[in-house]
Amino acid sequence: GAGVSQSPSNKVTEKGKDVELRCDPISGHTALYWYRQSLGQGLEFLIYFQGNSAPDKSGLPSDRFSAERTGGSVSTLTIQRTQQEDSAVYLCASSARQGVSIEQYFGPGTRLTVT
Amino acid sequence: DAKTTQPPSMDCAEGRAANLPCNHSTISGNEYVYWYRQIHSQGPQYIIHGLKNNETNEMASLIITEDRKSSTLILPHATLRDTAVYYCIVRALTSGTYKYIFGTGTRLKVLA
Repeated sequence: GAGVSQSPSNKVTEKGKDVELRCDPISGHTALYWYRQSLGQGLEFLIYFQGNSAPDKSGLPSDRFSAERTGGSVSTLTIQRTQQEDSAVYLCASSARQGVSIEQYFGPGTRLTVT
Repeated sequence: DAKTTQPPSMDCAEGRAANLPCNHSTISGNEYVYWYRQIHSQGPQYIIHGLKNNETNEMASLIITEDRKSSTLILPHATLRDTAVYYCIVRALTSGTYKYIFGTGTRLKVLA
């Protein structure tokens, strides 16, 4: 079946502009995660959704970052007033449910470049 | 949170077994060890996971020491397409979320 998809695959934006990144999880997956990967670094957790609610937003780096999920499916990560340090690959993952032994499936990511 | 330590890079000859080590000395009793790999410009790909027994699937084998303080991922016959960054992750329950805490991984280069 179809995997996790993300759009756009690449986004170049000017400093100060707002951007929206989209994630389509695997159909039926109730858990959805956003991560960020800066150049040459490991992944940094941002936020987790269970259904449409976000019980864990602890990884969001500032109040310029927000995310929502609608219909238990598509999620949007919004970055307001982008800064150059926001440049990174933003990865979305989904899993069938929460659980210590449940693997996550990752999308290909959105490469964000803030000029 | 449990942390993992991996060598930054390794080389392996094509057709040979690649053995990738990982230390997780602060792992707690109910935390699983996961392995993912990331091929350039792609999202991480799940490989295998385990708790305390050794595990094998079509991609790899996972050997976990008896004290669970370290593990080894084995790719039995490495191919050029196995060149990637390999992440060893301990699945941590943090703030009610089973999130992954990624380190910087091991960059495996398979040589022809």
